[in-house]
Amino acid sequence: RKEVEQDPGPFNVPEGATVAFNCTYSNSASQSFFWYRQDCRKEPKLLMSVYSSGNEDGRFTAQLNRASQYISLLIRDSKLSDSATYLCVVIRSNFGNEKLTFGTGTRLTIIP
Amino acid sequence: DGGITQSPKYLFRKEGQNVTLSCEQNLNHDAMYWYRQDPGQGLRLIYYSQIVNDFQKGDIAEGYSVSREKKESFPLTVTSAQKNPTAFYLCATWGGNTIYFGEGSWLTVV
Repeated sequence: RKEVEQDPGPFNVPEGATVAFNCTYSNSASQSFFWYRQDCRKEPKLLMSVYSSGNEDGRFTAQLNRASQYISLLIRDSKLSDSATYLCVVIRSNFGNEKLTFGTGTRLTIIP
Repeated sequence: DGGITQSPKYLFRKEGQNVTLSCEQNLNHDAMYWYRQDPGQGLRLIYYSQIVNDFQKGDIAEGYSVSREKKESFPLTVTSAQKNPTAFYLCATWGGNTIYFGEGSWLTVV
């Protein structure tokens, strides 16, 4: 089983729709979680951190469910500019070595 | 400004040649990472280092080598043993509970 698994996509949704992605992780010792956005042929950029209490940044909401070992990202009122690939990242510390593991990414296309 | 500098941005290699990708950071971060990304795929970990003169293999280390002689520098060598090296390579650091990326290097075998 992969350490981090992500909805494969692609997701093609109309402008204004709400879309949600999930990402599951296999190691319960994982400590930190993030969502990154990657535009075509560019490096990933931080979208938001993910906490158990949930966090919201404008139209974006991220949630962590430690019991079921998944994180989620919700995008409301989607815009054309939201078209990108969304990567989840799971951080696990092992004797001082912090391993950053990425999901395969979910490609989102917002349709006018 | 603090950040990560990767070079070169584009690199062409003939089969059988070794090439080295540079990654320099001025963020004073201990942890540095190299990832490979193939078209339409996620990031796969090649090597990572938490401290000078020490590094660990990631999930796809075969055909690659690294060194960490200075805290600021973590170069990646793609050796001739890597049979399919054409990909996008990303260097990253971890510090202050944040991942920082370089702009990436595109390697093409010709």
